[in-house]
Amino acid sequence: SQKIEQNSEALNIQEGKTATLTCNYTNYSPAYLQWYRQDPGRGPVFLLLIRENEKEKRKERLKVTFDTTLKQSLFHITASQPADSATYLCALPGYSSASKIIFGSGTRLSIRP
Amino acid sequence: DTGVSQDPRHKITKRGQNVTFRCDPISEHNRLYWYRQTLGQGPEFLTYFQNEAQLEKSRLLSDRFSAERPKGSFSTLEIQRTEQGDSAMYLCASSYNDRANTEAFFGQGTRLTVV
Repeated sequence: SQKIEQNSEALNIQEGKTATLTCNYTNYSPAYLQWYRQDPGRGPVFLLLIRENEKEKRKERLKVTFDTTLKQSLFHITASQPADSATYLCALPGYSSASKIIFGSGTRLSIRP
Repeated sequence: DTGVSQDPRHKITKRGQNVTFRCDPISEHNRLYWYRQTLGQGPEFLTYFQNEAQLEKSRLLSDRFSAERPKGSFSTLEIQRTEQGDSAMYLCASSYNDRANTEAFFGQGTRLTVV
């Protein structure tokens, strides 16, 4: 069955450094991958989508890579700020139905001043 | 349009009672999703609609759960005979799906506590 794995341990880094989060998936080849941000008590907010034919995508301080051979996506936040502290979720279309979106468990990121 | 709206934001109910949640999606969106989320976990897929048709329902969703989307607009999620294990955040999301767009917009969620 389809599996999405994200670092379950929280990531704590110093302000100004680059945060790198990992998303690994198994058992199929999705046409795209999405990243969302979730703050406590709120719904997820879409950040970026990268397609299988794209190696890298950027949006302001965010960069996402998609390695379909390794079945892995990396999510980078450069020049991190305390306001970037949140849980970041990786999401893929469903294996049995590409119309549904399946989420990983998320990685909690804390940026200390 | 103010985005996806969910009501109520919080619900406390006694075990065995029925509860119903409402979701109002972004008006032009043709897809509507329901997810459940517990602490420290990602959103878990429950079901989704394409317009008024319910196209898929997770096998994790027991017979006590039912969802509707009459006329392809708002949706309701009902849980009958609630159990303590049903305590969670219930999230609704909507999207307008074509080849270029798959982004889901989420509501603030309904937090259910079963006592």
